[in-house]
Amino acid sequence: GDSVTQTEGLVTLTEGLPVMLNCTYQTAYSTFLFWYVQHLNEAPKLLLKSSTDNKRTEHQGFHATLHKSSSSFHLQKSSAQLSDSALYYCALSVNTGANTGKLTFGHGTILRVHP
Amino acid sequence: GGIITQTPKFLIGQEGQKLTLKCQQNFNHDTMYWYRQDSGKGLRLIYYSITENDLQKGDLSEGYDASREKKSSFSLTVTSAQKNEMAVFLCASSWWAYSYEQYFGPGTRLTVL
Repeated sequence: GDSVTQTEGLVTLTEGLPVMLNCTYQTAYSTFLFWYVQHLNEAPKLLLKSSTDNKRTEHQGFHATLHKSSSSFHLQKSSAQLSDSALYYCALSVNTGANTGKLTFGHGTILRVHP
Repeated sequence: GGIITQTPKFLIGQEGQKLTLKCQQNFNHDTMYWYRQDSGKGLRLIYYSITENDLQKGDLSEGYDASREKKSSFSLTVTSAQKNEMAVFLCASSWWAYSYEQYFGPGTRLTVL
């Protein structure tokens, strides 16, 4: 079946350092990949999405590039801010012909940024 | 824009009790979803519905029922609450296609005593 792997459960960084959160996936179908961010006591909300191979997608200072050859969609930011502290989910949607919009989520990565 | 509301925000129940969580959306989205969020386990799909009166089981449907009587609302019932259960239940909605994002509600936090 389809799956998403986020290898880090917790990433702790000093403010100003670069951020990289890993995401790899497995599927036999064409895909959309998503990054969602959930701040404490808030709803998850979309940060980025992409279905285009090797194209960089950017939003709110974060960027990710879908690499189909390595089945990866890592989230990056050049300089972490305290306000980036949150739970980040990578998610996969696949085109099987029965398009339901269903997402498969990774386990999530908590990002903690300290001064 | 639109919004998803979930009621109640906090739900405390007793072991064995039947508990119902409600979700409303005004996006006019076709599809609605219920997820369970546990620390370290990600978001696990319980039920989803492609249109009103449609129900599809997710990976975690055992112990739950769902109901979609109107396009705008989707209810989830915990059929027999388990002692020491604590989780956040998130409702979401989206258009019916694999390229569209899901919009999430703020969640219902369940505690079972």
